[in-house]
Amino acid sequence: SQQGEEDPQALSIQEGENATMNCSYKTSINNLQWYRQNSGRGLVHLILIRSNEREKHSGRLRVTLDTSKKSSSLLITASRAADTASYFCATDAYNTDKLIFGTGTRLQVFP
Amino acid sequence: ETGVTQSPTHLIKTRGQQVTLRCSSQSGHNTVSWYQQALGQGPQFIFQYYREEENGRGNFPPRFSGLQFPNYSSELNVNALELDDSALYLCASSLPNRGSGANVLTFGAGSRLTVL
Repeated sequence: SQQGEEDPQALSIQEGENATMNCSYKTSINNLQWYRQNSGRGLVHLILIRSNEREKHSGRLRVTLDTSKKSSSLLITASRAADTASYFCATDAYNTDKLIFGTGTRLQVFP
Repeated sequence: ETGVTQSPTHLIKTRGQQVTLRCSSQSGHNTVSWYQQALGQGPQFIFQYYREEENGRGNFPPRFSGLQFPNYSSELNVNALELDDSALYLCASSLPNRGSGANVLTFGAGSRLTVL
């Protein structure tokens, strides 16, 4: 079963616009991570935010975490056509090594 | 430093057959996790191996089994294949998550299995 869900399921924007995708999860967590997947290939780790952090930045990526609402958001600023991919949030529940992925957001960036 | 490599990249089987998928972990990583990703879905956790032993399992039947070898490479075996087993199988390696450490995964490109 999936730990969480991403919203929206699909998102289409123009280059230069910002893309925001949200993730909700069900149980208490240690960390939340975001991964990217191009065309059914392997996933690539983007950023990790710990449960005691509220916001984190990495280049054009900004992640927020609200543990009271069990939700996170990923913002990609000034998007590029190369950002076209599926984006997944993943959580590791407290005291487990298991990383559980959400359902994903498919982002399409048009040049 | 080499990444995670998986083989084969694509394969076609028929119902009832058995399949073995292989994974070489990233250098220095001693933990391997396997995921099944159906079309349009997120990856589903199958199981994880650490020090050659299963270290956690998702909601998959016993016909999904695995091995980890002393060099940390791993195999996923699926017996009595069913049509619903058609999916992308992803292997990921990591350092062990102990305490509140983060379990950041390095993924291979996957093995796409089609069951006819």
